[in-house]
Amino acid sequence: SQTIHQWPATLVQPVGSPLSLECTVEGTSNPNLYWYRQAAGRGLQLLFYSVGIGQISSEVPQNLSASRPQDRQFILSSKKLLLSDSGFYLCAWGQRRADTQYFGPGTRLTVL
Amino acid sequence: AQKVTQAQTEISVVEKEDVTLDCVYETRDTTYYLFWYKQPPSGELVFLIRRNSFDEQNEISGRYSWNFQKSTSSFNFTITASQVVDSAVYFCARETSGSRLTFGEGTQLTVNP
Repeated sequence: SQTIHQWPATLVQPVGSPLSLECTVEGTSNPNLYWYRQAAGRGLQLLFYSVGIGQISSEVPQNLSASRPQDRQFILSSKKLLLSDSGFYLCAWGQRRADTQYFGPGTRLTVL
Repeated sequence: AQKVTQAQTEISVVEKEDVTLDCVYETRDTTYYLFWYKQPPSGELVFLIRRNSFDEQNEISGRYSWNFQKSTSSFNFTITASQVVDSAVYFCARETSGSRLTFGEGTQLTVNP
């Protein structure tokens, strides 16, 4: 069966510090991968999605970036965090277009 | 953007009551997919159902049922005989181009004992 992992589970970072959140999927190959952010406990915003290694589509221009160095690994990064980057970050995977997306446990990021 | 609207921000019921969560979506497509997810306090989104726009039959799964009305662009979710464990935020979503999902703002359901 497929499993999706995210780490860390929680993170507290100062403004201006870098960020790296990691997501890995097990039990499937060539998945579509997604990064979402949820602010204030509501409303998921799609940040990035990837249909293959090195292929990243950005939905919202901001100081975040994503990379997919391996088939089942998706990384969300920032060089300098802003207060507004605080939120709950969720990674998801799906097998193909219109397929169900399955979500990881999330990372709760607080920027102080 | 084709929106998904969940007009009910919060709903509070007493255990064993039935509750319906509303979802209205916009679409210009003839074929599309709709979803419901549950987000318990732990935060992880749990998949509940995926529905193809061609399939207008209502679906029942235990205490959960879904009413898909293409004519009114609605995909409502009913929990029968609610339980405290049903307390969560529920999200409706639709698939948009490029394998992306557009989510509604969610409905916070609280089931009181």
